[in-house]
Amino acid sequence: DQQVKQNSPSLSVQEGRISILNCDYTNSMFDYFLWYKKYPAEGPTFLISISSIKDKNEDGRFTVFLNKSAKHLSLHIVPSQPGDSAVYFCAASNNAGNNRKLIWGLGTSLGVNP
Amino acid sequence: DADVTQTPRNRITKTGKRIMLECSQTKGHDRMYWYRQDPGLGLRLIYYSFDVKDINKGEISDGYSVSRQAQAKFSLSLESAIPNQTALYFCATSGHRVWETDTQYFGPGTRLTVL
Repeated sequence: DQQVKQNSPSLSVQEGRISILNCDYTNSMFDYFLWYKKYPAEGPTFLISISSIKDKNEDGRFTVFLNKSAKHLSLHIVPSQPGDSAVYFCAASNNAGNNRKLIWGLGTSLGVNP
Repeated sequence: DADVTQTPRNRITKTGKRIMLECSQTKGHDRMYWYRQDPGLGLRLIYYSFDVKDINKGEISDGYSVSRQAQAKFSLSLESAIPNQTALYFCATSGHRVWETDTQYFGPGTRLTVL
């Protein structure tokens, strides 16, 4: 059973516009959420995160929004650039003391067209 | 130089062969992980280690074993490779402090093909 869901396998946007990537989760024990970006032939790299005590975290062009009541988070990229074309993974960590592990979504492939 | 390195980067082997994938890190992290990625299935955790004397099974450990030779080294072995172990394998590390544990740093991956 997929506890972290990214329902859009792919997304295409024009350069300069906003990209919105969505992620839903089912486990109310998740208390920390992360977005990773992955280019072909490379490992995933950390992008941005948010704690469950917040509803928004911003880092430059990247903003993550968390709606706990809906168990939904989204990553906004504004403005989108061709270099943002990659696979984006949503991950969540549960409140399991020292035994925390990440639960991963299946990823969304973002294509930014010049 | 990369903080997390994996060798080999690509490997083609035959069914029944023993394969070892190696991971080294210079980040000084205590925690290390092995994942596999398959098309449409995202990242799945195989094994993880929170320190040199600690080894834990992940969600798909059957057919795999690991060895944590030192803080900086974590190896994944396929004792008798089978074709459905064809995948992209990633090693990752994280710190052990509360604010570090969730942010993982990944190696470049090993593409393994089992014929």
